[in-house]
Amino acid sequence: GAGVSQSPSNKVTEKGKDVELRCDPISGHTALYWYRQSLGQGLEFLIYFQGNSAPDKSGLPSDRFSAERTGGSVSTLTIQRTQQEDSAVYLCASSPSRQGAYGYTFGSGTRLTVV
Amino acid sequence: SQKIEQNSEALNIQEGKTATLTCNYTNYSPAYLQWYRQDPGRGPVFLLLIRENEKEKRKERLKVTFDTTLKQSLFHITASQPADSATYLCAPVGSGNTGKLIFGQGTTLQVKP
Repeated sequence: GAGVSQSPSNKVTEKGKDVELRCDPISGHTALYWYRQSLGQGLEFLIYFQGNSAPDKSGLPSDRFSAERTGGSVSTLTIQRTQQEDSAVYLCASSPSRQGAYGYTFGSGTRLTVV
Repeated sequence: SQKIEQNSEALNIQEGKTATLTCNYTNYSPAYLQWYRQDPGRGPVFLLLIRENEKEKRKERLKVTFDTTLKQSLFHITASQPADSATYLCAPVGSGNTGKLIFGQGTTLQVKP
């Protein structure tokens, strides 16, 4: 597609439930990133995929968070046993290169509200 | 640890003036520095990238400078317009970096007509 697509755009879930957030990157972009942005805060790095390499999971806040990228394209971020502090906008971005020499293209995000 | 500082206070300027935003970093040796714009409820949008061997980069009304000695980048918007009102984020990228961008907190610019 022309841009990075994320779904759903909004998700309200009950505390303790699992949620899955989806990201469709730009076709041909080998690098894919997940960030989280709480209300009024900056972007917090979560996880990064580059081609077939092992993902960089150094930003995942707890073992309740996991992500996968199938076929080098679509990615799913899963949050298990959601907590109220997980409420935030989850942003996905893709890039044609891992080296930071190209700008990232971000999706519009998924707004997650845990009630 | 690596640290990025952007002025957390909002910058308010009059339409037509030049806006200047600052990005300072420590414990970094970035090969590139990227600037993004973020509007409320939207994802950041890439604006400009400057390399460590470039002193200045321009794109239309935007100008970015990069001083590796001062460890600072300045982002200028000339002839500012109310439509330029947004939050602007900087992201230095270290040489040999995997491409994982760490963003500053951003500076909110408000251009008044």
